[in-house]
Amino acid sequence: GAVVSQHPSRVICKSGTSVKIECRSLDFQATTMFWYRQFPKQSLMLMATSNEGSKATYEQGVEKDKFLINHASLTLSTLTVTSAHPEDSSFYICSAESPGTAHSPLHFGNGTRLTVT
Amino acid sequence: DAKTTQPTSMDCAEGRAANLPCNHSTISGNEYVYWYRQIHSQGPQYIIHGLKNNETNEMASLIITEDRKSSTLILPHATLRDTAVYYCIVLTGTASKLTFGTGTRLQVTL
Repeated sequence: GAVVSQHPSRVICKSGTSVKIECRSLDFQATTMFWYRQFPKQSLMLMATSNEGSKATYEQGVEKDKFLINHASLTLSTLTVTSAHPEDSSFYICSAESPGTAHSPLHFGNGTRLTVT
Repeated sequence: DAKTTQPTSMDCAEGRAANLPCNHSTISGNEYVYWYRQIHSQGPQYIIHGLKNNETNEMASLIITEDRKSSTLILPHATLRDTAVYYCIVLTGTASKLTFGTGTRLQVTL
């Protein structure tokens, strides 16, 4: 089945630094990828929709200059958390959609746990 | 997309069937019912989806009522590894832009 890989699985960074998270579709091409954030004991919240070759679409309340998304190829999308602060500590999850497959499920990565100290 | 209502939590004994209900009374004719689950500290995993007919795969069965206002996910023989949060999601078109509610926390016990 379709596999989505996220890297790294865990990262600890100092406040004020930037962190890049990669999301790869391993055996299919994904024109659209999605980035979610999940705080402890809460559900997943969609942050943005990443489209290959164009700008990402951000959900209301998500700062596009803080969470930079790049979808440069059909198999890779990256999320960069810039100038991270402790309140950005969270579980970040990406998902990908196989093109041309209506009603097919999304495939999710295993998430990246970010801790900002 | 239609809103769904699920119980907050459920328990199930290992080896027994786990029946997870979902109400979606405002579902429209072209909306599908999807089920995902999230095991602790992992990404969500797709389980099954359907429109109006009952569906079965290697993981579970999905029973949708005739009026489509509710559905039940059935795990026929629950194991400890099925302990997870189960999300029922209703949406139209492609499976894009999933909106997750609070789901049902299923605890499978010995």
